[in-house]
Amino acid sequence: AQKVTQAQTEISVVEKEDVTLDCVYETRDTTYYLFWYKQPPSGELVFLIRRNSFDEQNEISGRYSWNFQKSTSSFNFTITASQVVDSAVYFCALSRRPGSSNTGKLIFGQGTTLQVKP
Amino acid sequence: DAGVTQSPTHLIKTRGQQVTLRCSPKSGHDTVSWYQQALGQGPQFIFQYYEEEERQRGNFPDRFSGHQFPNYSSELNVNALLLGDSALYLCASSQGTGWEQFFGPGTRLTVL
Repeated sequence: AQKVTQAQTEISVVEKEDVTLDCVYETRDTTYYLFWYKQPPSGELVFLIRRNSFDEQNEISGRYSWNFQKSTSSFNFTITASQVVDSAVYFCALSRRPGSSNTGKLIFGQGTTLQVKP
Repeated sequence: DAGVTQSPTHLIKTRGQQVTLRCSPKSGHDTVSWYQQALGQGPQFIFQYYEEEERQRGNFPDRFSGHQFPNYSSELNVNALLLGDSALYLCASSQGTGWEQFFGPGTRLTVL
């Protein structure tokens, strides 16, 4: 069975602090995809990143960075120098590779609510 | 280029009623997936439509049904509404069944 766990329910930081959101996943597949989505108060899920299980290189995009460690089944997300606009709920998700059965179904974690105070 | 659109934005129903939610996919996308997001929870997969057929389904009862039209738009129908059906219903579209999904703004359903 596939499962995603985001143990941090809520995190509160002061602007300009760095913050890391944890994500741990379970899957029996050897090939899979991992995602991070941001959900602002408006409700729409905004895609942030997709990683293939074969690509363990860390990725940086501006103030955002992602650390994928297959050995610990973790895909953590770090925001550097946080800003008030980063306040949102962040979801980690898992899916099977295209072409496999049940592909396209995203398995989401419970989400982490990030509050960045000015 | 319009993204995924959903209607209505908000909906209030009473127990036992039926509801229909609508979704138009992003231009160029042919696959629509529906998710239910209860308050404080992550989205839960309901089902996915591709080529006007339900391709896969999550753990939801038969009260939840759907349809996809030739123009790739989709409807989610829920019969015999329960209080527990109150949630944000999200539609996501993609090109094919396995690629990146783009989400719409959702329909907030309240069942009284």
